[in-house]
Amino acid sequence: EAQVTQNPRYLITVTGKKLTVTCSQNMNHEYMSWYRQDPGLGLRQIYYSMNVEVTDKGDVPEGYKVSRKEKRNFPLILESPSPNQTSLYFCASSYQGGSRETQYFGPGTRLLVL
Amino acid sequence: SQQGEEDPQALSIQEGENATMNCSYKTSINNLQWYRQNSGRGLVHLILIRSNEREKHSGRLRVTLDTSKKSSSLLITASRAADTASYFCATLKADRGSTLGRLYFGRGTQLTVWP
Repeated sequence: EAQVTQNPRYLITVTGKKLTVTCSQNMNHEYMSWYRQDPGLGLRQIYYSMNVEVTDKGDVPEGYKVSRKEKRNFPLILESPSPNQTSLYFCASSYQGGSRETQYFGPGTRLLVL
Repeated sequence: SQQGEEDPQALSIQEGENATMNCSYKTSINNLQWYRQNSGRGLVHLILIRSNEREKHSGRLRVTLDTSKKSSSLLITASRAADTASYFCATLKADRGSTLGRLYFGRGTQLTVWP
């Protein structure tokens, strides 16, 4: 089944404790992206990747890192999480053929930073 | 900043009625997409309309696009309780000097359909 998976789905952590949220897709998509969703703010893009070893900042990259060593995986790293990073995170992927079209979303990771 | 803005923020209707949601955006776009999100879950793509199209249908969904007014509408006909969800418009705009665009989402319309 074609899908985007994220792990963990729920995470409670404390300020400053490094964490990684994994994202994996099995559709051979070139483009992958991370969003955060906060009440009243909609979805905001954190980072995106057009292909292996090609990443770029979205609208809210501060406090986050990403890597794209393999086509299927796009982990999101919080080196020193802070309470303002408490949010619902979504990974998405799509084909890249001149313009990115339909994006396929993962189920989300709900993060609470105490 | 948000590229797309949905209106209204919340909409509450009875089963069988039609639901209309609007989206306004700011800059020129390649296409506009509508997504649906059930509470706390990932977004699911519904329909895509390109900048050179004016109207598109998919089942009970009808999308219109007016590039002169920079607006789009999503109509769900004969709504059902299962249509209860948040609906987002997303615009794909062309970055300067590149044919590859970034997808920008609005804040969404929360639709509640009562049985």
